[in-house]
Amino acid sequence: NAGVTQTPKFRILKIGQSMTLQCTQDMNHNYMYWYRQDPGMGLKLIYYSVGAGITDKGEVPNGYNVSRSTTEDFPLRLELAAPSQTSVYFCASSFSNSNQPQHFGDGTRLSIL
Amino acid sequence: AQSVAQPEDQVNVAEGNPLTVKCTYSVSGNPYLFWYVQYPNRGLQFLLKYITGDNLVKGSYGFEAEFNKSQTSFHLKKPSALVSDSALYFCAVRGSSGSARQLTFGSGTQLTVLP
Repeated sequence: NAGVTQTPKFRILKIGQSMTLQCTQDMNHNYMYWYRQDPGMGLKLIYYSVGAGITDKGEVPNGYNVSRSTTEDFPLRLELAAPSQTSVYFCASSFSNSNQPQHFGDGTRLSIL
Repeated sequence: AQSVAQPEDQVNVAEGNPLTVKCTYSVSGNPYLFWYVQYPNRGLQFLLKYITGDNLVKGSYGFEAEFNKSQTSFHLKKPSALVSDSALYFCAVRGSSGSARQLTFGSGTQLTVLP
């Protein structure tokens, strides 16, 4: 049971480039989330999904897009990379959005130069 | 808007001594409270949660947390710290309706247990 798997683990992008961060979970969780973690700032919610075909914005969605075509996969797209998007990105999933804990992947460390 | 405060960026404690990592929160309605731990280059791992019931919650690795409604606090505790407990700890809160149902995280507290 792999849990939540994120790829790649590390990536360096040039300003203006685009990329997709991949996230897949094998726990049959309905809810999935993307967070970014900046030093001393905790985690900020970028986007979330309550099921296949349904996504919604979180606290910091600007510059990002998501899709949810299957229960397992929830990719995050950066269209025009900017230095402010340098961060560590975490994907998480949970069975529901009430009292169930979220399960996190090990993150993607992204640098925009 | 809901919020979480972890007033200490860094907590140092000697091995074998009790530890406390502080957390206070603000949320509409009844709070759902969580503690997570993060080891270097890893994702967050769930430690424990308070939903309802007994104010003292026991979790993984010997950790516990006490919910105090009047002080809006949810401090993490352990009676005897281990060097292996050294990590980054996050408190998180979720409300019970609407957008408040999304988790809000504190800024984290770096715990260092000294041998």
